[in-house]
Amino acid sequence: EVQLVESGGGLVQPGRSLRLSCAASGFTFDDYAMHWVRQAPGKGLEWVSGISWNSGSIGYADSVKGRFTISRDNAKNSLYLQMNSLRAEDTALYYCAKDPSGSYFWYFDLWGRGTLVTVSS
Amino acid sequence: EIVLTQSPATLSLSPGERATLSCRASQGVSSYLAWYQQKPGQAPRLLIYDASNRATGIPARFSGSGPGTDFTLTISSLEPEDFAVYYCQQRRNGTITFGQGTRLEIK
Repeated sequence: EVQLVESGGGLVQPGRSLRLSCAASGFTFDDYAMHWVRQAPGKGLEWVSGISWNSGSIGYADSVKGRFTISRDNAKNSLYLQMNSLRAEDTALYYCAKDPSGSYFWYFDLWGRGTLVTVSS
Repeated sequence: EIVLTQSPATLSLSPGERATLSCRASQGVSSYLAWYQQKPGQAPRLLIYDASNRATGIPARFSGSGPGTDFTLTISSLEPEDFAVYYCQQRRNGTITFGQGTRLEIK
């Protein structure tokens, strides 16, 4: 079955760190770029970060640049998001999403169910 | 940053009616625009990419138009399962932004 499964979310205090993971299955993971997209409670979608198939191209939204780091391990079919210096406004459901492109950032044609990150003291 | 503005914020229609959703870009994005559908408690689903191409498995009642700065998602005859929130997304210049969404509700 083609799927993405996120994990690692939870309640964290402001200023602390959290690492999200996404396990991919059912497709050739290292053929595609991958992304993190988030959705604050009751709000719209926000692209957070993307990474090309070989990690040669990486991009971040301005809102997380310098605080978040995306990475992937193609041998483990896994995508990661290291989140440092977390803020209340980072509270959201974080989706892992697959891109139909390998090298560029295009669209999201497969989504996980998301993992919830809550930043609060 | 390219800003996408969707209108209307909420659209109230009945099953069988035609729905027209708009997405305006603050600058030209060529045909690099996609549409997604999101139902409560679910992840978004890709409907349309490159302005007018239906994604795999998407019914023919969904269609998109562009390119440039003004884009439209049309649902020719609404089915009960089409009532949801719709987002547009652009991918120009290696950056990705979404519109704020249009809620399509049953009248």
